Amino acid sequence: KAGVTQTPRYLIKTRGQQVTLSCSPISGHRSVSWYQQTPGQGLQFLFEYFSETQRNKGNFPGRFSGRQFSNSRSEMNVSTLELGDSALYLCASSGQGSGNTIYFGEGSWLTVV
Amino acid sequence: DQQVKQNSPSLSVQEGRISILNCDYTNSMFDYFLWYKKYPAEGPTFLISISSIKDKNEDGRFTVFLNKSAKHLSLHIVPSQPGDSAVYFCAASLWGGATNKLIFGTGTLLAVQP
Repeated sequence: KAGVTQTPRYLIKTRGQQVTLSCSPISGHRSVSWYQQTPGQGLQFLFEYFSETQRNKGNFPGRFSGRQFSNSRSEMNVSTLELGDSALYLCASSGQGSGNTIYFGEGSWLTVV
Repeated sequence: DQQVKQNSPSLSVQEGRISILNCDYTNSMFDYFLWYKKYPAEGPTFLISISSIKDKNEDGRFTVFLNKSAKHLSLHIVPSQPGDSAVYFCAASLWGGATNKLIFGTGTLLAVQP
């Protein structure tokens, strides 16, 4: 069974640009969450999607957005990139309902210059 | 407000001995806890979880203990192996809530010396 797949793995963007990251969850998983990891702030929750609907959102500015498609694949977008957005962005998927094990992808490493 | 805390940034253990990683939480509504192992620039790997209806869960070399009254959980690794060297995160969520949102601790770097 394939795990959570994230693309791209590494990317470099210029301040002011926008970026889109993609996530394919484990087959059958309908919940997809996104996290940001930085050295200073640790692992922080961005948002969660379930059945194409955002059902929870972390404390991030509106420049961070996401969506989920009917096949449960998800994308997140960051507009007007800032240097502080440089981070490892992690996607996680889980089965229906809460209390299920949450599995993470390898992450997308974003560097903003 | 750090709702999940790992007060030891690092831990060094000899191979073959027990590693004990600790985690404290403040929100009594948390009722599902997970431990992840992580290498730099990679995603966290799930190790073991426990719900609040239990006080212990075992999986091979890994055992998690939960003390609800103290709002404390710990991960025991026995015996420790050099390949266990990584950063370990505990995470908490609300089982009964309609969300899979995880609140992570700050991590503990475990170094297992050969």
